[in-house]
Amino acid sequence: GAGVSQTPSNKVTEKGKYVELRCDPISGHTALYWYRQSLGQGPEFLIYFQGTGAADDSGLPNDRFFAVRPEGSVSTLKIQRTERGDSAVYLCASSPAGTGYGYTFGSGTRLTVV
Amino acid sequence: QKEVEQNSGPLSVPEGAIASLNCTYSDRGSQSFFWYRQYSGKSPELIMSIYSNGDKEDGRFTAQLNKASQYVSLLIRDSQPSDSATYLCAVLMSGTASKLTFGTGTRLQVTL
Repeated sequence: GAGVSQTPSNKVTEKGKYVELRCDPISGHTALYWYRQSLGQGPEFLIYFQGTGAADDSGLPNDRFFAVRPEGSVSTLKIQRTERGDSAVYLCASSPAGTGYGYTFGSGTRLTVV
Repeated sequence: QKEVEQNSGPLSVPEGAIASLNCTYSDRGSQSFFWYRQYSGKSPELIMSIYSNGDKEDGRFTAQLNKASQYVSLLIRDSQPSDSATYLCAVLMSGTASKLTFGTGTRLQVTL
């Protein structure tokens, strides 16, 4: 696609529920990243995929968070047993290759856990 | 010490003036540096990248890098009200393939 697409744009869920956030990167981009941004903060790294594999998942805060990219294109971030502290904007980005040449962000999913 | 530090602002400059945004980083081995602009409620947008010491100019924007001082800055000439946004400094830390570390951002307000 022309840009990085994220769905849904907004998600409100109850504490303890399971959520999935989807990211469709720019066509042909092999590198895909998930970040989380809280109010007044910069984006915080969660996980980086190169192709289908997670090249770096050091930013995932705990085992409630998991992400997949089974075909090397669309990625899904999965959060189990959501907590109020998970409320944030979840940003996805992609780049042609994992070379740090700066990447293009999607419009984000605003997750609110009530 | 935070890995990437920015003054949160707000930095207020009059229209037509030069806005100077600063960023320091902790990893001396870092090689790649980026400036993103983020409008309220929107996602970050890449505006500049810089990899070598010195200045890099693109239109009204100039990025400056001093690796010895671990300092990177962004100058915006002829500031316009449309430049009002949060500017995020991002650094590719050494030893990481592609993970950018962001500062908290500096909020810029351009006043009429």
